Amino acid sequence: SQQGEEDPQALSIQEGENATMNCSYKTSINNLQWYRQNSGRGLVHLILIRSNEREKHSGRLRVTLDTSKKSSSLLITASRAADTASYFCATGNQAGTALIFGKGTTLSVSS
Amino acid sequence: GAVVSQHPSWVICKSGTSVKIECRSLDFQATTMFWYRQFPKQSLMLMATSNEGSKATYEQGVEKDKFLINHASLTLSTLTVTSAHPEDSSFYICSARDFWRTETQYFGPGTRLLVL
Repeated sequence: SQQGEEDPQALSIQEGENATMNCSYKTSINNLQWYRQNSGRGLVHLILIRSNEREKHSGRLRVTLDTSKKSSSLLITASRAADTASYFCATGNQAGTALIFGKGTTLSVSS
Repeated sequence: GAVVSQHPSWVICKSGTSVKIECRSLDFQATTMFWYRQFPKQSLMLMATSNEGSKATYEQGVEKDKFLINHASLTLSTLTVTSAHPEDSSFYICSARDFWRTETQYFGPGTRLLVL
């Protein structure tokens, strides 16, 4: 099963621009995580935000979480060509259960 | 950091054969491992939850007799695709939950299966 939608499904931007991806989910959660996946490769964990947190930063990444709207956003600032990848949000509803992934956003950053 | 390995990384087989994929946690104990499947240009879909020493829990629509899961130790879970068919061709990814850090799951690099 999947939690919900991510939008946009695809995003194309120029290097240096900011990229914003959104994720919505359906059930109550304990935490929400963002992952990156380069084409044909495994997942890279980017950031985890807990349900009692509203915003979190890591380098050029900024994640927000609005539990009342059941949504999260991932902002990548000053994007680089190397940021080209698919980005997925995943929710954990309680400690120890499987992560449920959203459908993902494919980001293309051109130089 | 914690590392999860998968073997093999690539497998090509003929239709009707069985394929075994291993998932190992290299430097931590994983009482629970998860198996996901990802078709091209799609997201990861949870197939089953594997608990050490007990039967796996399968998601709705996943045939337990076709996808056999064995979690015989705290560091190894195996997924066997029995009598594989071309529609089973996919990217299979496992993840392992650290017993002491339950929020965190570590993902393997994935196994790409192509059934001819």
